Amino acid sequence: KAGVTQTPRYLIKTRGQQVTLSCSPISGHRSVSWYQQTPGQGLQFLFEYFSETQRNKGNFPGRFSGRQFSNSRSEMNVSTLELGDSALYLCASSLALGGYTFGSGTRLTVV
Amino acid sequence: EDQVTQSPEALRLQEGESSSLNCSYTVSGLRGLFWYRQDPGKGPEFLFTLYSAGEEKEKERLKATLTKKESFLHITAPKPEDSATYLCAVTFRDDKIIFGKGTRLHILP
Repeated sequence: KAGVTQTPRYLIKTRGQQVTLSCSPISGHRSVSWYQQTPGQGLQFLFEYFSETQRNKGNFPGRFSGRQFSNSRSEMNVSTLELGDSALYLCASSLALGGYTFGSGTRLTVV
Repeated sequence: EDQVTQSPEALRLQEGESSSLNCSYTVSGLRGLFWYRQDPGKGPEFLFTLYSAGEEKEKERLKATLTKKESFLHITAPKPEDSATYLCAVTFRDDKIIFGKGTRLHILP
């Protein structure tokens, strides 16, 4: 059974650019959530989607957005990148509350 | 303020030396507490879910327990392959989720 797939694995962007990250959940999982992980702040919740609807949102600025498609695949977008957006971005999918399976993440570096 | 605090931040043990990791939380309307293991360069791997005070779960050398204010992850006779960062997360009212900053565990052979 394939796990959660995130692409790309690594990304380098310049300040002011925008970026789109992709996540393919485990087949049959309809909930997809996104997290930002940094050494200083740890893992922080960005948002969660279920059946193409945003169900929950963390405390991040509007530059961070996401969407989910009918096949449950999800994308997150960060516009007007700042140096502080450099982080590991993790996607997780689940069937039920809390039993999340995480992908390996996308390492974003903003220069 | 809703908060999840893990201690210690880092822990070095000799192989076979048992210990416990702590996760304390101050949230209202707890729905569940979760433990994950994260290896360098990888996403967190799900270990346990606990829902109510008094609940315990076990898996190999790991045992998780829950009280009204904290959870413990007990590691019995650890091996070097148990070295990882252990993360605790709490879901509470309105399905919000907060992760602790983790405990970096290093088991020396």
